[in-house]
Amino acid sequence: ETGVTQTPRHLVMGMTNKKSLKCEQHLGHNAMYWYKQSAKKPLELMFVYSLEERVENNSVPSRFSPECPNSSHLFLHLHTLQPEDSALYLCASSQGQLASTDTQYFGPGTRLTVL
Amino acid sequence: AQTVTQSQPEMSVQEAETVTLSCTYDTSESDYYLFWYKQPPSRQMILVIRQEAYKQQNATENRFSVNFQKAAKSFSLKISDSQLGDAAMYFCAYRRRRDDKIIFGKGTRLHILP
Repeated sequence: ETGVTQTPRHLVMGMTNKKSLKCEQHLGHNAMYWYKQSAKKPLELMFVYSLEERVENNSVPSRFSPECPNSSHLFLHLHTLQPEDSALYLCASSQGQLASTDTQYFGPGTRLTVL
Repeated sequence: AQTVTQSQPEMSVQEAETVTLSCTYDTSESDYYLFWYKQPPSRQMILVIRQEAYKQQNATENRFSVNFQKAAKSFSLKISDSQLGDAAMYFCAYRRRRDDKIIFGKGTRLHILP
């Protein structure tokens, strides 16, 4: 148990659906991240939030919309996705760059399938 | 731009033997961190070991140790006395000290042969 939880663990959706992924961290961290993990590709960083402010957006399509209402919660809102968006979506948290050493702790991921 | 390269997509090792996973990285920074993460099949990704670039001593965690060669920008992971539970995808990662972002390699899938 790393203190980072994600729901749902599995999600199947059609291209016209709207759904949201949720991440919660119980570690008192200040930074949270969304990653996309596809087969045979490196982990792709999507978004970084530090102290609830978005500090990184790696050219992610607008059909992915993050929300960070507080330092413990992170959402990824999905709408009009494409089949190529099917992947494992991982959430992570860390103390943030102000920490002298920093490690990211990962959640179990949400396996997303877009039909 | 920083990059992380893991040149071995898959490796196999006999149980109880030792295996070394390679990782090289490219950066112009002098102050950074390096990590090895483990992702077992259908399970959560967890940190295996971490190395701070300013430390010359190689990090060790029980059966896991690294060979950190800063000048060569190499950061290999050695697993001693391999166990079946070590079977997983292993990711090498880099983080610049003043950054929140971690850059991951493509991973090496390690198989443990009984």
